[in-house]
Amino acid sequence: DVKVTQSSRYLVKRTGEKVFLECVQDMDHENMFWYRQDPGLGLRLIYFSYDVKMKEKGDIPEGYSVSREKKERFSLILESASTNQTSMYLCASSTPWTGERQPQHFGDGTRLSIL
Amino acid sequence: GEDVEQSLFLSVREGDSSVINCTYTDSSSTYLYWYKQEPGAGLQLLTYIFSNMDMKQDQRLTVLLNKKDKHLSLRIADTQTGDSAIYFCAERLYGGATNKLIFGTGTLLAVQP
Repeated sequence: DVKVTQSSRYLVKRTGEKVFLECVQDMDHENMFWYRQDPGLGLRLIYFSYDVKMKEKGDIPEGYSVSREKKERFSLILESASTNQTSMYLCASSTPWTGERQPQHFGDGTRLSIL
Repeated sequence: GEDVEQSLFLSVREGDSSVINCTYTDSSSTYLYWYKQEPGAGLQLLTYIFSNMDMKQDQRLTVLLNKKDKHLSLRIADTQTGDSAIYFCAERLYGGATNKLIFGTGTLLAVQP
């Protein structure tokens, strides 16, 4: 079974702090994704990475950056946290697209509150 | 454009059937997925359908795909209280090597005992 582990379930930080959210997967997946989930808005893609050191912006990258130094780890960084970044953050991983059914596998999420 | 829409809320009684609907705008979608999110947890893959299929059945779950109307539905037979969750549909667009999905807004299913 694929295991995607997010380092924290709950996190409380202050405005202006630099925040790191960590995600590790154990299935040697090339693709990794960061989403934020807000009520009524569903999942919105922040950034994704298709290989080590490779990244692409998603739909809402402003205020965020990412790091992928090793294949199994994908970090989301809030450079200077703001209250509008209070949200549930979800990490996912998958194999690259080959035309087969290849779902994304999700971690349990990190509920981040910025005070 | 890429947009996936779902109604936000559905309430059913235990034992009834639930039907969760989803509309998408990109006719070139290949795979369409249904994910379930239980309270406080991440998303769990429930089922999927390939775009050349009309229907797929998996135990209590039936997925129907109407490509002409770009409409996807998930039917849960004999709904149980354990089915209470948020359900997301997602589409995988045609083209590109990255396995990027577009998710709907999610439907909260509340099952009344």
